[in-house]
Amino acid sequence: ETGVTQTPRHLVMGMTNKKSLKCEQHLGHNAMYWYKQSAKKPLELMFVYNFKEQTENNSVPSRFSPECPNSSHLFLHLHTLQPEDSALYLCASSQEEGRSNQPQHFGDGTRLSIL
Amino acid sequence: AQKITQTQPGMFVQEKEAVTLDCTYDTSDPSYGLFWYKQPSSGEMIFLIYQGSYDQQNATEGRYSLNFQKARKSANLVISASQLGDSAMYFCAMRGGNTNAGKSTFGDGTTLTVKP
Repeated sequence: ETGVTQTPRHLVMGMTNKKSLKCEQHLGHNAMYWYKQSAKKPLELMFVYNFKEQTENNSVPSRFSPECPNSSHLFLHLHTLQPEDSALYLCASSQEEGRSNQPQHFGDGTRLSIL
Repeated sequence: AQKITQTQPGMFVQEKEAVTLDCTYDTSDPSYGLFWYKQPSSGEMIFLIYQGSYDQQNATEGRYSLNFQKARKSANLVISASQLGDSAMYFCAMRGGNTNAGKSTFGDGTTLTVKP
């Protein structure tokens, strides 16, 4: 059992649907992250939140909309996605952003398939 | 800027033998952290081991050890007594300490297959 829980584990949606990915961490961390992992591509950082404030948006298309209501929860709202958005979406947390000695703790990921 | 290079897309090792996964890095920060993560086929990324840039000794965690050679900018992961459950993808990563404060950079990963 990990300290970072992601739901759902699998999601299949059409390009016109709207869905949300949820991430919850039980580690008392203050920084949370969304990553995208596509087949045969390196891990891509999407968003970073530190103490509920967004500190990084890595040129992510607006069809991905993050939300961080508190330090324990992170959402990724999805709308009008494209087939190339099919990937594994990983949520991670760390004690806080800006520290080089702190590992990130990852959830199990959500496998997203766009029809 | 910081960069992680993992030159081995795939590695094979016989069960119970040791294996070394290579990682080289580049950064302009004098202070940084190096990490290794394991990703089984199920998808979760599992933190394995950490090495600080100022640590004098190589980090060890059970069967995992990090061979840190600062002058060569390498941080190789050594897995001793390989087990079938070690078959997974392994990622080397770094977090910067100054100009790249906390910024995480991951390598492309190495797929390790342990043969019975």
